[in-house]
Amino acid sequence: DTAVSQTPKYLVTQMGNDKSIKCEQNLGHDTMYWYKQDSKKFLKIMFSYNNKELIINETVPNRFSPKSPDKAHLNLHINSLELGDSAVYFCASSQGTSGNEQFFGPGTRLTVL
Amino acid sequence: GEDVEQSLFLSVREGDSSVINCTYTDSSSTYLYWYKQEPGAGLQLLTYIFSNMDMKQDQRLTVLLNKKDKHLSLRIADTQTGDSAIYFCAESFPGGYNKLIFGAGTRLAVHP
Repeated sequence: DTAVSQTPKYLVTQMGNDKSIKCEQNLGHDTMYWYKQDSKKFLKIMFSYNNKELIINETVPNRFSPKSPDKAHLNLHINSLELGDSAVYFCASSQGTSGNEQFFGPGTRLTVL
Repeated sequence: GEDVEQSLFLSVREGDSSVINCTYTDSSSTYLYWYKQEPGAGLQLLTYIFSNMDMKQDQRLTVLLNKKDKHLSLRIADTQTGDSAIYFCAESFPGGYNKLIFGAGTRLAVHP
């Protein structure tokens, strides 16, 4: 009965590879988010989708491409991985976009070698 | 601009109260939040306060908001070892599509 789930939990890959992280929520929410947490634990929003439409797109390299096939899923594809992409990536979801509680997934730790 | 600051570390004795502080720069914040992150886990919302409130209490947690000084605090009464975690302050804005701006997190260590 996991609310927000992410796969994989750990991802280790070589520089230059392309990888995807998947996120699913079973809360019936209409809004989903991707956050990046760096090695110093600093958290920053990357993207947000509301009803499958992109509503937040922070200054993120275009190697990062989110895809929302339906309201319950928001996947993150990363092309040409770089060392600096190593981080923990958190997916979150909320109902609506007005101060509503965001529920976070357990995170995906990406290590680029 | 959007900026949230927190002190990085706090160490308290079990049973004492913990006070974690946060300052923010944007006075247009609508909601201010406290999230908890345990090692290797995601973030869990502890409590939040609407920007027109001064205080909110929820069991062992008390949130104080000083809008004039743009200062937010979280007090944990009777701190337990299970409270050891990183605590993040965050804010959201009107028309911001629920975008959360996080502080750097305060690592709370509770010792016997």
